[in-house]
Amino acid sequence: DAGITQSPRHKVTETGTPVTLRCHQTENHRYMYWYRQDPGHGLRLIHYSYGVKDTDKGEVSDGYSVSRSKTEDFLLTLESATSSQTSVYFCAISTRHNSDNEQFFGPGTRLTVL
Amino acid sequence: AQSVTQPDIHITVSEGASLELRCNYSYGATPYLFWYVQSPGQGLQLLLKYFSGDTLVQGIKGFEAEFKRSQSSFNLRKPSVHWSDAAEYFCAVGFNKFYFGSGTKLNVKP
Repeated sequence: DAGITQSPRHKVTETGTPVTLRCHQTENHRYMYWYRQDPGHGLRLIHYSYGVKDTDKGEVSDGYSVSRSKTEDFLLTLESATSSQTSVYFCAISTRHNSDNEQFFGPGTRLTVL
Repeated sequence: AQSVTQPDIHITVSEGASLELRCNYSYGATPYLFWYVQSPGQGLQLLLKYFSGDTLVQGIKGFEAEFKRSQSSFNLRKPSVHWSDAAEYFCAVGFNKFYFGSGTKLNVKP
């Protein structure tokens, strides 16, 4: 299994509070991603990173920011959490060389915003 | 715009029966194509992938998928389903950014 960890694994917070989720990899992969998973929507890309300090928006980026100061860590921040951000968040990594551009997923973080 | 459609939200098959899960996509060019499986409370596991070459690809757990360019489809198949295959299945497409379908939940009847 790819070395991806997410922390925390579960979090309950209140509306309006800031929340930071962490994704840590030991694979030295260039690309890292944050997705959210909601019933009926599958996985939707929030933000992704293609290198240290290089990030870009996905399809549902509003209300989220990211940072990547080291290859191994990709942080997702909800500046002011809302109930609509209650979801399961997955981090993924990939490397793009030759044909090996598949993603490996972390175990997920279940976030509840009350 | 890029999109992935999995038209079947739920499918129920009997154990031992064959299975086909459908996936259609809209993309500017032929993307990389993937099928993932997710058991309840778990992360996603890659079943198989298509990048180029032979349009029939073999994956883990006895699954296979066929890429049909003319139909923009990448359907997943298994000749004989086992009870342990009950899970949710996701089709995904893309290059560096990936787009997922909304998933198909598979139930297996004894």
